[in-house]
Amino acid sequence: DSGVTQTPKHLITATGQRVTLRCSPRSGDLSVYWYQQSLDQGLQFLIQYYNGEERAKGNILERFSAQQFPDLHSELNLSSLELGDSALYFCASSAYLGGNTGELFFGEGSRLTVL
Amino acid sequence: AQSVAQPEDQVNVAEGNPLTVKCTYSVSGNPYLFWYVQYPNRGLQFLLKYITGDNLVKGSYGFEAEFNKSQTSFHLKKPSALVSDSALYFCAVRAAVSNSGYALNFGKGTSLLVTP
Repeated sequence: DSGVTQTPKHLITATGQRVTLRCSPRSGDLSVYWYQQSLDQGLQFLIQYYNGEERAKGNILERFSAQQFPDLHSELNLSSLELGDSALYFCASSAYLGGNTGELFFGEGSRLTVL
Repeated sequence: AQSVAQPEDQVNVAEGNPLTVKCTYSVSGNPYLFWYVQYPNRGLQFLLKYITGDNLVKGSYGFEAEFNKSQTSFHLKKPSALVSDSALYFCAVRAAVSNSGYALNFGKGTSLLVTP
């Protein structure tokens, strides 16, 4: 158990809809990362937050947004969903912003299916 | 851009035999390299990392990795494979993605199948 909690584990929705994925990082970790895993694209970095502030953006679509709350949990919002958004979405956390050399701790993911 | 490549989609090995999962990197400066494992329907689990120092890094579950600067490689190894090692393995490199943000860039993954 990594200590990172993601909900929901599975989500099925229709095209055009909006969903919210939630992540609770490991106790004490200030940095949260979101990744998307799909068969064709592999693991893609989406966005990073540190102590409530956005710090880095990767291949995140404009239809997607995220935030990190004062209690350090994070939410990833996906809107105007398309079939191609079906994927496994991972949250990961670490203690530091990035100046450290430590690893990321991953949750078990939220599997999104868009029909 | 900091990137890694995993040239093999799948590696098959018999139980008890040594295994190697290959990774090469493309990095400007000193690389920070990682190996992760993903079991079916699970998240990624950290195995080991290379930051600096000894080129042979030991990690979890008996795995080790050899950093080779001249060949820009960071291959994952285990002396004696177990059936339970069957999983998806990812190599990753730390990359700066903004003035103050870092992320791990992952390879496409290598599926390891260990047969009894």
